[in-house]
Amino acid sequence: ETGVTQSPTHLIKTRGQQVTLRCSSQSGHNTVSWYQQALGQGPQFIFQYYREEENGRGNFPPRFSGLQFPNYSSELNVNALELDDSALYLCASSLGGLEARELFFGEGSRLTVL
Amino acid sequence: QKEVEQNSGPLSVPEGAIASLNCTYSDRGSQSFFWYRQYSGKSPELIMFIYSNGDKEDGRFTAQLNKASQYVSLLIRDSQPSDSATYLCAAYNTNAGKSTFGDGTTLTVKP
Repeated sequence: ETGVTQSPTHLIKTRGQQVTLRCSSQSGHNTVSWYQQALGQGPQFIFQYYREEENGRGNFPPRFSGLQFPNYSSELNVNALELDDSALYLCASSLGGLEARELFFGEGSRLTVL
Repeated sequence: QKEVEQNSGPLSVPEGAIASLNCTYSDRGSQSFFWYRQYSGKSPELIMFIYSNGDKEDGRFTAQLNKASQYVSLLIRDSQPSDSATYLCAAYNTNAGKSTFGDGTTLTVKP
């Protein structure tokens, strides 16, 4: 069984730039959600995709956007990067859409904005 | 006030003792509750979940849920040094399609 994989693992951007993070879901999982985890805090829900449609969103501005592809992989795009966007971005896959329960996390993409 | 509250700790227990981790939540629409373990520099991994009032046991771990009090707990029996990690409590709202996490409790098990 293939686990959740994310890329890149680390990246450095400057304020105002744009970034795309990628995630391959665990085999058989059709739901992908993205979380932002700042140092010393719990993961904050950004949004969730089920069968290529966004079906849940947290309190993040529109410059955070995403996609899910037919193979259930996903991208997180962040435009106009701000210093506070520096964090660990976690992708989690699960099975079931809105009924999604257990989350299986990738190792994360650590973004530093200078 | 955060939607999911946890004592930040650190909580320190001797090896072999029972560690008790607590969590309260404010969203009464939450139906499922999860405990994740996160080692330093790693991603969270699921320990167990619970969605019915009462206790649920899995090996050395017992989760307890009281929806009337909006309270979830995790007991770790016979604590081992390898249990030293941050434990995250999460509440899942099916209608909103989102999991809300607390900031975690850091547990240290001393040999």
